[in-house]
Formats: sequence, C-alpha cells, structure tokens
Amino acid sequence: EVQLLESGGGLVQPGESLRLSCAASGFTFSSNAMSWVRQAPGKGLEWVSRINDIGDNTHYTDSVKGRFTISRDNSKNTLYLQMNSLRPEDTAVYYCAKARGSGSSTSYYFDYWGQGTLVTVSS
Amino acid sequence: QSVLTQPPSVSGAPGQRVTISCTGSSSNIGAGYDVNWYQQLPGTAPKVLIYGNGNRPSGVPDRFSGSKSGTSASLAITGLQAEDEADYYCQSYDSSLSGYVFGTGTKVTVL
Repeated sequence: EVQLLESGGGLVQPGESLRLSCAASGFTFSSNAMSWVRQAPGKGLEWVSRINDIGDNTHYTDSVKGRFTISRDNSKNTLYLQMNSLRPEDTAVYYCAKARGSGSSTSYYFDYWGQGTLVTVSS
Repeated sequence: QSVLTQPPSVSGAPGQRVTISCTGSSSNIGAGYDVNWYQQLPGTAPKVLIYGNGNRPSGVPDRFSGSKSGTSASLAITGLQAEDEADYYCQSYDSSLSGYVFGTGTKVTVL
C-alpha cells in the first residue's frame, strides 16, 4: 500500500524558515518523480514544486522561486521542501504527491497524496 | 490566479447527470497537454478520478468520465450519488508557466 506521510508543519513568523518532510513507502520511491501541492485555507489547489526521480531536475511555481528548495533522499525514501523567507500568503496545507505519467513530465498527474501538513505564517 | 477556469458550483438530484467544465487556453489544454481530474472530499486529500483526459484508475466507478476538446475539458458524473458531494479540480500542464496548473475548483452538491 502506498503511503505518504508529511511532517514539519507549524506556526512561524514572516521571514522565518521551515522544512517539510514526506516519508514514502509502498512503492519504489527512487523511480518516481514527486511534487508538493498546497492549498490555502478555503481555497483551491496550487502546484508548488516537482523533482525528478534522481533529484537532479527541479521546477517551481513562480511565487516560490528563490525561496523554496525541493530535494529528496532516495536512501531514506524521503522528500523535502525547505521553505525560507516565508510570507503570510504561504499559509496552506502542504501535500506531498507522487507523480505518474507516460513519456514526458508534461503528462504527469498525481496518483497518490499524503494527508497534508499545515503551515501557518503569521506574526 | 488559476489559468484553468471551472464553475464554482454545480448541483443535481440523486440519479441525475452533471457535468463540470474546465476552460483553458492555447498554452495548456489547447496545446494538447493531458487533463486530469481530482475529487476532494471534505477534510481529506485529493484523489485522482480521471487521468490522461479520459482514463479511470482502478477502483473509480464508471459513473465518472472525462473528455477533452480544443481548449476545454469536461468531467461528467452520471447516476449522481450522495457520496459524490465534494470539490472537483481539473489539472494540466502549462507551457507558458513551465509548470502544472489546477482549475479553480467546483463544488458538487447533491440535492
């Protein structure tokens, strides 16, 4: 059974940092691209970042470029999101999601999701 | 902010058919990128309903179907059931943004 378990969320002040983790099990983690998707309270879904299977190719939505860094440790089956210079608009539930698709990464969809971890940025 | 537009809400009586539209542009759906659909029940994580425009993962009832034409896509739910009350999101890839995009979301209410 595929499981994705996020952790690391919490309440931080604007400008502070936080690192999210996502522990994966039930599939070959090192063979799959992964993403972070967030959802602000009462709002819709927003894709945040993607990393390829071996961790040498990453992409970000414009609003987090230069502030967030996605990474992975395939030896630990864990995905990370380092979030720096946090802003109130980064407040959201952050989901870790397994990407799946045929051929190009432009065809990816998200076939498994974690339960999410809440990040609140407020003074 | 989202580049994929969905109606905020749709409703129907049990057993009826409802459709949810997802309107994009020439840099996403119109460029030929696949459209995927997700169901998010209250308080839970999203779950994939349709991938690759019209494919259902195992376990998803055949009451759910997807289609794509031009710069738009649609999700149809036939034989609407009470447990279908949820938020539904379309998703694709956008070449101008070089990233994945989600629709604005549609709340389905079973009357």
